[in-house]
Amino acid sequence: GAVVSQHPSWVICKSGTSVKIECRSLDFQATTMFWYRQFPKQSLMLMATSNEGSKATYEQGVEKDKFLINHASLTLSTLTVTSAHPEDSSFYICSASDRGKGDFGPGTRLLVL
Amino acid sequence: DAKTTQPPSMDCAEGRAANLPCNHSTISGNEYVYWYRQIHSQGPQYIIHGLKNNETNEMASLIITEDRKSSTLILPHATLRDTAVYYCIVRVGVESGNTGKLIFGQGTTLQVKP
Repeated sequence: GAVVSQHPSWVICKSGTSVKIECRSLDFQATTMFWYRQFPKQSLMLMATSNEGSKATYEQGVEKDKFLINHASLTLSTLTVTSAHPEDSSFYICSASDRGKGDFGPGTRLLVL
Repeated sequence: DAKTTQPPSMDCAEGRAANLPCNHSTISGNEYVYWYRQIHSQGPQYIIHGLKNNETNEMASLIITEDRKSSTLILPHATLRDTAVYYCIVRVGVESGNTGKLIFGQGTTLQVKP
């Protein structure tokens, strides 16, 4: 089946630094990828839609200058959390769609100290 | 996409069938019912999807009522590894322009007990 990978699986950083998370579709090309965030004991919240070769589409309430998305190729999307703060600590999950059913990465756990 | 309603939690005995209900009374004719699950600290996993007919795969069966206003996911022989949060999501298919975007509700936390 379709496989989506994420890197890193976990990251700890100091407040004020920027963190980049990669999402790759390993055996299919994805013109569209999605980024979600999940806080403890909560459901996944869609942050943005990443479009290859064009600007990302952000959900209401998500700061585009805070969460930079780059989708430079058909197999790679990156999410950069700029000037991270403790409240950005969360589980970040990406998704890509192979024939519409949606495949998810394993997630990246971010802890900002 | 139509909204879904699921019970917040359910228990099931190991080896028994787990039947997880989902209500989607405002579903449109071109919307599919998708089921995903999320095991603790992992990304969601696709289980099954269907439009009108009942569907079965190696993981589960999906029973959709004739009026399509509700459905049931059946795990025929639940194991401890099936303990997870199960999400029922309704959305249009690829033929209607679906790009894979999923809006998650709160899901049902299934606890399989020995």
